[in-house]
Amino acid sequence: QVQLVESGGGVVQPGRSLRLSCAASGFTFSSYGMHWVRQAPGKGLEWVAVISYDGSNKYYADSVKGRFTISRDNSKNTLYLQMNSLRAEDTAVYYCAKDRIVGATPISNDAFDIWGQGTMVTVSS
Amino acid sequence: EIVMTQSPATLSVSPGERATLSCRASQSVSSNLAWYQQKPGQAPRLLIYGASTRATGIPARFSGSGSGTEFTLTISSLQSEDFAVYYCQQYNNWPLYTFGQGTKLEIK
Repeated sequence: QVQLVESGGGVVQPGRSLRLSCAASGFTFSSYGMHWVRQAPGKGLEWVAVISYDGSNKYYADSVKGRFTISRDNSKNTLYLQMNSLRAEDTAVYYCAKDRIVGATPISNDAFDIWGQGTMVTVSS
Repeated sequence: EIVMTQSPATLSVSPGERATLSCRASQSVSSNLAWYQQKPGQAPRLLIYGASTRATGIPARFSGSGSGTEFTLTISSLQSEDFAVYYCQQYNNWPLYTFGQGTKLEIK
């Protein structure tokens, strides 16, 4: 069964850091690009970051560039999002999502076919 | 950045009837468009990719059409489980993937 499970969310003060994890199972994790997408309370979906299947290419939304870092450990089938200098506007549910197609380079131009259940991040003093 | 605009914001339809949801791109995205369904408290689910191809396991009552800047998601005969929020997403202008603001499909 293909599955993504996020963890690491919580309540954090503005300016602090948090690291999210996404554990993958049921597919060859090392063959697929992976994304982080967030959803603020009551709002729509916002793409945050993408990493290629081998970790060699990474891209970010302007709203998080310079503050967030996406990474992966293919030996552990795990995706990460390091979030630094957090702001109130970063408050959201964070989802990891899988590229639909395999082995795209540098980055897939396709849909996201599997999503995790999400982890909530609240930035508040 | 390509802006995706969905209409209407809310659509009220009776079970068994047809629902038509629209998505417009601020510039051409070719056929690089996906539709997702999201129910309360759940993650989005991929319905359609390539503007018109149903994802694995998606019922035939869901269909997508369009190319360029104008797209449509049609649900031919609404079932109770179809009432949800629907998002379109362009992936033509990667890596700046953008989503529409969503259409809430509610029971009339």
